[in-house]
Amino acid sequence: GENVEQHPSTLSVQEGDSAVIKCTYSDSASNYFPWYKQELGKRPQLIIDIRSNVGEKKDQRIAVTLNKTAKHFSLHITETQPEDSAVYFCAASSGNTGKLIFGQGTTLQVKP
Amino acid sequence: NAGVMQNPRHLVRRRGQEARLRCSPMKGHSHVYWYRQLPEEGLKFMVYLQKENIIDESGMPKERFSAEFPKEGPSILRIQQVVRGDSAAYFCASSQGSANTGELFFGEGSRLTVL
Repeated sequence: GENVEQHPSTLSVQEGDSAVIKCTYSDSASNYFPWYKQELGKRPQLIIDIRSNVGEKKDQRIAVTLNKTAKHFSLHITETQPEDSAVYFCAASSGNTGKLIFGQGTTLQVKP
Repeated sequence: NAGVMQNPRHLVRRRGQEARLRCSPMKGHSHVYWYRQLPEEGLKFMVYLQKENIIDESGMPKERFSAEFPKEGPSILRIQQVVRGDSAAYFCASSQGSANTGELFFGEGSRLTVL
């Protein structure tokens, strides 16, 4: 079935360091890969996304890479700040109905 | 433009009661998705609806759970005869087209506690 695996489940970095979160997906027809950030008790919010016709996308301190052959995609956050602390979710679209299948989430802690 | 509105934000039910969760999508959005989030877990897909139609209910438990999105009014997620294991945050999300064509916007969630 459709599945998205996300690693690591928790990540702790020092302020200013980089953070990398990795996801793999199973549906070869997936064509849309968004990343959501969820702060404690809040709604998930989109921070960046990438489509299957692009290998990399960058927006200020965050970037996403996609390897369609290997079915891997990753989130990179550079120069991390304490306000980056949150749970991050990757997702892949279902080739069948377009719905999003989410990974299990990564709790990122940025220590000042 | 108001975002996705969910109510109630918090709901407490005793075992065996019914829970009704409502979701009004963003203006202009006709695609609605329901996800369940258990404490410290990911977002589990439940059901995808378009106006008056269920597109994909592959994540919905076969018994006690139902969803609708009528022509007029909000989408409703209904849980009958609730059990303790139903305690979770239920998030609704909406999009203009299917989720792989544009951004999915989430509501603040409805947190169900079953005593």
